[in-house]
Amino acid sequence: QQQVKQSPQSLIVQKGGIPIINCAYENTAFDYFPWYQQFPGKGPALLIAIRPDVSEKKEGRFTISFNKSAKQFSLHIMDSQPGDSATYFCAARETSGSRLTFGEGTQLTVNP
Amino acid sequence: GAVVSQHPSRVICKSGTSVKIECRSLDFQATTMFWYRQFPKKSLMLMATSNEGSKATYEQGVEKDKFLINHASLTLSTLTVTSAHPEDSSFYICSARDLKGYTFGSGTRLTVV
Repeated sequence: QQQVKQSPQSLIVQKGGIPIINCAYENTAFDYFPWYQQFPGKGPALLIAIRPDVSEKKEGRFTISFNKSAKQFSLHIMDSQPGDSATYFCAARETSGSRLTFGEGTQLTVNP
Repeated sequence: GAVVSQHPSRVICKSGTSVKIECRSLDFQATTMFWYRQFPKKSLMLMATSNEGSKATYEQGVEKDKFLINHASLTLSTLTVTSAHPEDSSFYICSARDLKGYTFGSGTRLTVV
């Protein structure tokens, strides 16, 4: 059972565009929501993370928007570049647990 | 920032042999380490969770006798794929957790021929 649903599965934007990736969850016990970037043949790298007591967090060109009542969160990439082309995963962790639950991933392509 | 070193990055082995993958946290002590398996264009699938000095907790459907996990210290965990078969070919990734969050290794591409 997939506890974190991620969309879209793939996304193509032009350089400078603002791709948006969405995730939704059902488990209200989740208290930590990170986003990871993965290049082919490499492990995931943490981009940015948020906790449910804030509605938005920005780090550089990456912004997380969090809607606690809707149980949704999204990643926005400002001024996207071809080097941002990668697979992005959202994840969530329960308050009482240690394991991360991952979304299905979004393959982003930024065209020059 | 935190660094997790995973070795080897690629390994090819013959069917029936065993392969060991190492995961080290270089500049921090990991309270918990995780092992994942990832199929092409798919998400990460958690195989097991291990805490230093205790037995690993395996996810449902993961054979503990086939995928041996040893977490001997706060900085080292190993995954041994025993009696490997071609269907074990995959990308294996470790992750280490400390108080600040989760750091992933660079992954190991295992090919069983």
